[in-house]
Amino acid sequence: DIVMTQSPDSLAVSLGERATMNCKSSQSVLYSSSNNNYLAWYQQKPGQPPKLLIYWASMRESGVPDRFSGSGSGTDFTLTISSLQAEDVAVYYCQQYYSSPLTFGGGTKVEIK
Amino acid sequence: QLQLQESGPGLVKPSETLSLTCGVSRGSIGSSSDYWGWIRQPPGKGLEWIGTVSYSGSTYYNPSLKSRVTISVDTSKNQFSLKLNSVTAADTAVYYCGRLGYSRRESYFDCWGQGTLVIVSS
Repeated sequence: DIVMTQSPDSLAVSLGERATMNCKSSQSVLYSSSNNNYLAWYQQKPGQPPKLLIYWASMRESGVPDRFSGSGSGTDFTLTISSLQAEDVAVYYCQQYYSSPLTFGGGTKVEIK
Repeated sequence: QLQLQESGPGLVKPSETLSLTCGVSRGSIGSSSDYWGWIRQPPGKGLEWIGTVSYSGSTYYNPSLKSRVTISVDTSKNQFSLKLNSVTAADTAVYYCGRLGYSRRESYFDCWGQGTLVIVSS
């Protein structure tokens, strides 16, 4: 199984400031023939299901604000919120879909400082 | 826009079978090459993929649960189902159904149901 490790467990950021969180996979999720990274990011607010933000490591889902961006390749990935808004308070999860079983990271909780 | 809704008992006794259904609306479960899956989240914890079913009924399970899980699809009712047998307290979780994007069985989940809490307790 590919183990997904997220860091930090939580972070507190002031409104309007940048929030950065990381996701590391135990093996590469880059499919060399397509040059695609099989990595997604989700946002989960309390009492709600996860919401897809980013897929293919950097493709923003339709309707997701452009302050959210994904980067990275191979085994190391980053989700950045360029200017934190109050509605961005949530837990963020990464997920690999390179191979079965599909696996998720443990999450990073984002709070307002 | 596609909508998914989980339904089933919220309380299951230990050693019994957990049964949930995911109804699909504003879309057809059987008219495309989509894949459909189940994910669970124990209270206060992270997400665990349970398994996936194709529109044609092919199934793929997490090895950690494979011996206890059955997922099936019913295109006539536009729904798919989860059965988890021999449950214990460790199976207490919010259970989500979802659609896998990109028409691929190993993919991201681009649409999620609201989730249903299942408690295993006598």
